[in-house]
Amino acid sequence: AQSVAQPEDQVNVAEGNPLTVKCTYSVSGNPYLFWYVQYPNRGLQFLLKYITGDNLVKGSYGFEAEFNKSQTSFHLKKPSALVSDSALYFCAVKSSTGRRALTFGSGTRLQVQP
Amino acid sequence: NAGVTQTPKFQVLKTGQSMTLQCAQDMNHNSMYWYRQDPGMGLRLIYYSASEGTTDKGEVPNGYNVSRLNKREFSLRLESAAPSQTSVYFCASSPTGGSSYNEQFFGPGTRLTVL
Repeated sequence: AQSVAQPEDQVNVAEGNPLTVKCTYSVSGNPYLFWYVQYPNRGLQFLLKYITGDNLVKGSYGFEAEFNKSQTSFHLKKPSALVSDSALYFCAVKSSTGRRALTFGSGTRLQVQP
Repeated sequence: NAGVTQTPKFQVLKTGQSMTLQCAQDMNHNSMYWYRQDPGMGLRLIYYSASEGTTDKGEVPNGYNVSRLNKREFSLRLESAAPSQTSVYFCASSPTGGSSYNEQFFGPGTRLTVL
């Protein structure tokens, strides 16, 4: 079985400050890890993924994420938050050897204050 | 290139009514998925189709049926709607190769209310 935990329902950060959205996972075999963002009344948009290689992955809109195998974590980060980053963020995982479907976390709402 | 499209955008049903949610993708993807999104629960997989002609149950398949009509289209049917099926439904597709391998592309969603 595979699972994802996003321990924070909401993260508040001031514009210009760094942000971190946390994600831990459980999966058999090697993980494929993803971050998606959802704006109000919209579908999910892909931000970035880790498949293999460098532990630091860079994605869209200045976001990056660090894969930590020993801590089974894949935290999303951005050096300087923008008000427009305010949205719902989902972490997802699948096994490299399992079926093709992703398992999503419950989501973290990011609120960036001006 | 429209990506993943879903119809309808909104629907209100009475308990016991049936309906079909339509999904189509124009990216030539082999795999397609149906999820439901409920507050505080993220997205839960209902059914998926790894390729044309195949379908498999996901995490929450009870009360739903699916049809992979062709490579482009994957429909979700509620035979007898229940209030517990009030949710936002998302269709997604993914390629089986290339630089976007393993990524899922999502439609805009269908907001369903069952009274």
